[in-house]
Amino acid sequence: QKEVEQDPGPLSVPEGAIVSLNCTYSNSAFQYFMWYRQYSRKGPELLMYTYSSGNKEDGRFTAQVDKSSKYISLFIRDSQPSDSATYLCAMTFSGYSTLTFGKGTMLLVSP
Amino acid sequence: NAGVTQTPKFQVLKTGQSMTLQCAQDMNHNSMYWYRQDPGMGLRLIYYSASEGTTDKGEVPNGYNVSRLNKREFSLRLESAAPSQTSVYFCASSQGSTRVEQYFGPGTRLTVT
Repeated sequence: QKEVEQDPGPLSVPEGAIVSLNCTYSNSAFQYFMWYRQYSRKGPELLMYTYSSGNKEDGRFTAQVDKSSKYISLFIRDSQPSDSATYLCAMTFSGYSTLTFGKGTMLLVSP
Repeated sequence: NAGVTQTPKFQVLKTGQSMTLQCAQDMNHNSMYWYRQDPGMGLRLIYYSASEGTTDKGEVPNGYNVSRLNKREFSLRLESAAPSQTSVYFCASSQGSTRVEQYFGPGTRLTVT
């Protein structure tokens, strides 16, 4: 079993839809959970991160962590064509250890 | 602020050739990283440097060497390229010793024939 599992997609939605992107993980020692967005042929950029359990909101984006289920989610409200990208989850044991990435989910938002 | 820059953007090598990928950051970050990204494999850490003068192996270090030339620059060398090293290579950096907020460069697309 891989440490971090992420459905590769593509996930296709119409503009304005609510999008849910998810990752599952196997190691309960992970404490920091990140979401990176990667546009085609570009480097990843950090969207947001959470520490331990709970929710974090930033504009149209909400990150959610359920440590009891080893499951993290990224919700995108009012999705836009400009949200079309690959979304990578990542996690780490502490702020000072290396990151473990998921393989990424490709999202396509059609106008 | 350019952020993280990488050169070259594209490179084609023949098996057995050597090359160095260059990375520089202008954010005064202490930590720098080299990743490779392959279809279906995600991002995998090759080497990282927590501070100037230190380097450590990541998940897939075989076939690579690195040099932390100074605080700004971190280079990745392929001594004898192999087709299995065909990939997109990303350099990243982060503030202090924390790994969480990493800033990535635009990538180098390398093909080894």
